[in-house]
Amino acid sequence: DVKVTQSSRYLVKRTGEKVFLECVQDMDHENMFWYRQDPGLGLRLIYFSYDVKMKEKGDIPEGYSVSREKKERFSLILESASTNQTSMYLCASNTDGAGGYQPQHFGDGTRLSIL
Amino acid sequence: AQKITQTQPGMFVQEKEAVTLDCTYDTSDPSYGLFWYKQPSSGEMIFLIYQGSYDQQNATEGRYSLNFQKARKSANLVISASQLGDSAMYFCAMRDRMDSSYKLIFGSGTRLLVRP
Repeated sequence: DVKVTQSSRYLVKRTGEKVFLECVQDMDHENMFWYRQDPGLGLRLIYFSYDVKMKEKGDIPEGYSVSREKKERFSLILESASTNQTSMYLCASNTDGAGGYQPQHFGDGTRLSIL
Repeated sequence: AQKITQTQPGMFVQEKEAVTLDCTYDTSDPSYGLFWYKQPSSGEMIFLIYQGSYDQQNATEGRYSLNFQKARKSANLVISASQLGDSAMYFCAMRDRMDSSYKLIFGSGTRLLVRP
């Protein structure tokens, strides 16, 4: 089974702090994603990466950056946390396997509160 | 633009009965994939079932099946013999080739409550 592990289930930080959310997958997937999920807005893509050291902006990259130094690890960084970044953050990964589109497999999510 | 529509914000079903969760989609790409995910209150997003646009048969996975009607652009999830543990949010999602980000487009979800 695919395992995507996010470093924290719950996190509380203060405004202005630099926040790191870590995600590790164990299936050698090329693609990794960070989404945020908010009531009424659904899931929105923040950043994705299709290879080591490669990153692409998603729909809402402002205020975030990412790092992918190793294939299995994809980090989301809040450069200077603000209260409007309080949200549920979901990491996902998948592969570009042949024969159709491959499902994204998600971690357990991190509920981040910025005070 | 690609879009997923789930018109049922909430549904009830009696334990052991079957339930259908609706999903319609919109894309101009003839090649696409449709996915259903389950999200319990604990928050994790669990992949349930996949249907490719060129698949001839409707997808099945245990108690889950997908009623795929291509001409109507619908991909409804059918859960047979509902269990209490099926109570959760259910999301329909799509991916096609028109978006270079590889992202999934999600619907707004349906909250299912299974009654004992």
